[in-house]
Amino acid sequence: QLQLQESGPGLVNPSETLSLTCSVSGDSLSNGYHWNWIRQPPGKGLEWIGSFSSGGDFWNTPKNPSLQSRVTISADTSKNQFSLKLSSVTAADSAVYFCARSPGWWYFDFWGRGTLVTVSS
Amino acid sequence: QSALTQPPSASGSPGQSITISCTGTSSDIGGYDFVSWYQQHPGKAPKLIIYEVTKRPSGVPDRFSASRSGNTASLTVSGLQSEDEADYYCTSCAGGNNLVSGGGTKLTVL
Repeated sequence: QLQLQESGPGLVNPSETLSLTCSVSGDSLSNGYHWNWIRQPPGKGLEWIGSFSSGGDFWNTPKNPSLQSRVTISADTSKNQFSLKLSSVTAADSAVYFCARSPGWWYFDFWGRGTLVTVSS
Repeated sequence: QSALTQPPSASGSPGQSITISCTGTSSDIGGYDFVSWYQQHPGKAPKLIIYEVTKRPSGVPDRFSASRSGNTASLTVSGLQSEDEADYYCTSCAGGNNLVSGGGTKLTVL
């Protein structure tokens, strides 16, 4: 059974870098699917942040254009984990952050439980 | 303010049918066959219930169906059950690396 689990600090200071990791079990990051980061501010809709996909030696990390200057997505396929770094955070980046799998274009069939990240000093 | 417009709330009695709308533009809902719907219970992750406008993942009851007319997508829940009470979100590809979302509809089963 596929499982995804987000981990990382729940509190980040303004202007610093938010770092999260998604650990995947039951599937391989190298299977060609897209592995995504999505966030949801409290009481609001979903915002796609970016994704990682791997086909052998080829890695692809498309990102939301509105966030791409601050976003880095990487992966450690030996650990079956992928990570998110979001730099220069502000209170507007406070949200529940989810990792999720895309077997096709623009839909997400398996999700982690999500982790709440608050940006505050 | 979300790019896609959903009604903030909807309600129905057990056994009834309800339809939730999601209105966008020709640059998103009307332009791509990549509309999805998610069900989210409080404190839980979203669950995919519709993808590619009308397709239902395995395991999702056929009480859930969807359609699109122009720039508006719709989700219909037939034979309402108490467990259908949740928030529902629509999303759509908007070209390039853009995914837009609705603000969510809270469905109450009376």
